[in-house]
Amino acid sequence: QKEVEQNSGPLSVPEGAIASLNCTYSDRVSQSFFWYRQYSGKSPELIMSIYSNGDKEDGRFTAQLNKASQYVSLLIRDSQPSDSATYLCAASDSWGKLQFGAGTQVVVTP
Amino acid sequence: GAVVSQHPSWVICKSGTSVKIECRSLDFQATTMFWYRQFPKQSLMLMATSNEGSKATYEQGVEKDKFLINHASLTLSTLTVTSAHPEDSSFYICSAPRAGGGSYGYTFGSGTRLTVV
Repeated sequence: QKEVEQNSGPLSVPEGAIASLNCTYSDRVSQSFFWYRQYSGKSPELIMSIYSNGDKEDGRFTAQLNKASQYVSLLIRDSQPSDSATYLCAASDSWGKLQFGAGTQVVVTP
Repeated sequence: GAVVSQHPSWVICKSGTSVKIECRSLDFQATTMFWYRQFPKQSLMLMATSNEGSKATYEQGVEKDKFLINHASLTLSTLTVTSAHPEDSSFYICSAPRAGGGSYGYTFGSGTRLTVV
């Protein structure tokens, strides 16, 4: 079992709609959780970090963490074409190592 | 703040030669640096962890004699790909925890695209 799992997509979302991304994780990586956005050929850039159960909102992005279900999600509201990218879910273990999921490709269609 | 500068951004080398990739923390001290490799359309795979003043620790399946890591100072970590082969062609990215073992997030270098011909 991979430590961080997410659907690879692609997830096609109409412009202006909500994109919903999901991620599950194993017991070994249960410290901190992050969502990164990666454009093709570029390094990942941090969108959201979340450490405790519940929701965290930042602009058009909302991260949700449910530790009992070992589940973390990301909602992108009012999706824009510039949101088209690969979204990486990541979780850190007790040594601070960051493990990544396979990434979900999001395509926002005009 | 918390910027990691990675060089070179891209490099082409001949098979059998060695390539060095540098990551420098510009405005903070990085006692730890993580090195990742990313093949096309795949996610980032952790290769190794470098710690200032001590030997790097490698993930299972990563050849430590092929991927030499040096973390000689609190602001510089290097990855040397020795005797490179075409299968080593990949996108290499370094990352450092901002503070508190990553509890405040991680900052990434801009990545190095290595092509071995």
